[in-house]
Amino acid sequence: AQKVTQAQTEISVVEKEDVTLDCVYETRDTTYYLFWYKQPPSGELVFLIRRNSFDEQNEISGRYSWNFQKSTSSFNFTITASQVVDSAVYFCALSEADTQGSNYQLIWGAGTKLIIKP
Amino acid sequence: DAGITQSPRHKVTETGTPVTLRCHQTENHRYMYWYRQDPGHGLRLIHYSYGVKDTDKGEVSDGYSVSRSKTEDFLLTLESATSSQTSVYFCAISRQSPLGTDTQYFGPGTRLTVL
Repeated sequence: AQKVTQAQTEISVVEKEDVTLDCVYETRDTTYYLFWYKQPPSGELVFLIRRNSFDEQNEISGRYSWNFQKSTSSFNFTITASQVVDSAVYFCALSEADTQGSNYQLIWGAGTKLIIKP
Repeated sequence: DAGITQSPRHKVTETGTPVTLRCHQTENHRYMYWYRQDPGHGLRLIHYSYGVKDTDKGEVSDGYSVSRSKTEDFLLTLESATSSQTSVYFCAISRQSPLGTDTQYFGPGTRLTVL
């Protein structure tokens, strides 16, 4: 069965520190996709990144970077030089195809609440 | 902005009453979803739709029904609301990238309280 585990329920750091959010997944599919979403205090869900199972290249977007390692089934998210505006709940998600093979349903982790203190 | 609106945004109702939540999209996407979000659970799929009048159950479909009579609207109905259905409900659409990968984009959410 597919499963996503975000073991860190809450992380609190001081502004400008680097912070890594962990995501471990389980799947038997050979083709799958991994996602990170951000949910700021205002409540909306914001898509951050999608990574497919065939591409293990790390990705960097400004202060955000993602480390995908199939060997350890992990897709970790690092924020460098954190800022107060990064405070949010971050969700990792895994997608699988449905029985029709054409849609991908998301399996969600429970989320990590990140608190950045000034 | 994925052009998704949800109504109402907040609702308080009493146990046993019917409730309908509406999701409206403006981009003609085929796939639409309803999730609920509860503390400690992340998001859980209730129902999804893959076209007009084509729907299927998700992980937590008991107590919920859906309808999709038009591409742009996906309705979630609680036939007889219970306190366990107090939650934040999110609608999503699935937008396909040129590579064929779907990414889900979400509406603003509806906070439902069942007293």
